[in-house]
Amino acid sequence: GIQVEQSPPDLILQEGANSTLRCNFSDSVNNLQWFHQNPWGQLINLFYIPSGTKQNGRLSATTVATERYSLLYISSSQTTDSGVYFCAVLTGNQFYFGTGTSLTVIP
Amino acid sequence: DSGVTQTPKHLITATGQRVTLRCSPRSGDLSVYWYQQSLDQGLQFLIQYYNGEERAKGNILERFSAQQFPDLHSELNLSSLELGDSALYFCASSVVGGGPGLAGGSAQFFGPGTRLTVL
Repeated sequence: GIQVEQSPPDLILQEGANSTLRCNFSDSVNNLQWFHQNPWGQLINLFYIPSGTKQNGRLSATTVATERYSLLYISSSQTTDSGVYFCAVLTGNQFYFGTGTSLTVIP
Repeated sequence: DSGVTQTPKHLITATGQRVTLRCSPRSGDLSVYWYQQSLDQGLQFLIQYYNGEERAKGNILERFSAQQFPDLHSELNLSSLELGDSALYFCASSVVGGGPGLAGGSAQFFGPGTRLTVL
């Protein structure tokens, strides 16, 4: 099956800092989503982004499908951004999640 | 609040038992997806239903089964439970399920999950 790798696995930021999370996938995909799992376990949809660039407030994402990667940008990080960020891809009829990036934002 | 509801929130049971997890999708969503999240396996896709029909199958064990009812709510049945089945089970829904033979096609919204503990 497809390999979905996320980097870095762990990230500690000072509040206010910016960061870039990366998702690489080993094969062509039909769609890609970014999710945030907060410390309470809730999975929150951030972006549905099979290609191109989207922005939502302090977050933005870019997917370059031809080069098989996606980036999630977090600007001016806040403590509420802490949690695990997952990318998930769809190829054929199968969904695959990456192993996640665990983000801790310290005040 | 994503609009997807799951019951129960927590479930504790014994090995060998059978449980049913329930999911109600967002209003207007036709697709329901089930996922399992465990510490050792991460997030894994189990199965998808679209408007009552099975659309895609992932790493779902034969001991597990699911269905989607005419009112679009879905149930995941787990039987002959083993210790390793302890996990967080998520349901997600989306508006569409893709074209024939193709799952996905729109953003998925997740419910709060059911935490299953098998003792």
